[in-house]
Amino acid sequence: GQSLEQPSEVTAVEGAIVQINCTYQTSGFYGLSWYQQHDGGAPTFLSYNALDGLEETGRFSSFLSRSDSYGYLLLQELQMKDSASYFCALGGSGNTGKLIFGQGTTLQVKP
Amino acid sequence: NAGVTQTPKFQVLKTGQSMTLQCAQDMNHEYMSWYRQDPGMGLRLIHYSVGAGITDQGEVPNGYNVSRSTTEDFPLRLLSAAPSQTSVYFCASGTGFGYGYTFGSGTRLTVV
Repeated sequence: GQSLEQPSEVTAVEGAIVQINCTYQTSGFYGLSWYQQHDGGAPTFLSYNALDGLEETGRFSSFLSRSDSYGYLLLQELQMKDSASYFCALGGSGNTGKLIFGQGTTLQVKP
Repeated sequence: NAGVTQTPKFQVLKTGQSMTLQCAQDMNHEYMSWYRQDPGMGLRLIHYSVGAGITDQGEVPNGYNVSRSTTEDFPLRLLSAAPSQTSVYFCASGTGFGYGYTFGSGTRLTVV
């Protein structure tokens, strides 16, 4: 099957940089994506890596290394509004149409 | 542009009752999925579809049925509700492979 592992909680201070790691196991996939979810809200798409390397979208960057079965989300210039849960997800997992999520990382940004 | 619309937003069912959660998207997305979210469990895939007339099981399909007769609609049926199905349910759609999926606002279901 497919599985993803993330840290359950991360704490950082406003203005800092934080990295949320994601390791995975799968027989094949098309891309690794990241979603943000605020309390009581729906997940929203942040970033996607189909190829190895770094993708940058404003304050957020995401990285993928297929050889290491590893990716991360980097959040820069943290703001209080970044306090949320962050999920990595395997797209096309097992070479199907599935999108499989990790259990999520709760980020708390402190003043 | 409405995106992904889920109804109802809240529902209370008695054990053994059946119901259908509705999901509709207006973005002409081929891929649609249903997830349930329980505290500390992340998002678990129930069923998914890669196009009209094509559905498949996800990680936790037992107790749920789906069909996809049109590109726009992907209803989720609870056959005989159980307290273990108390959860928040999300419908999502996308163009494929995990990129840029759009989620509905969710249905909060309680089974008593």
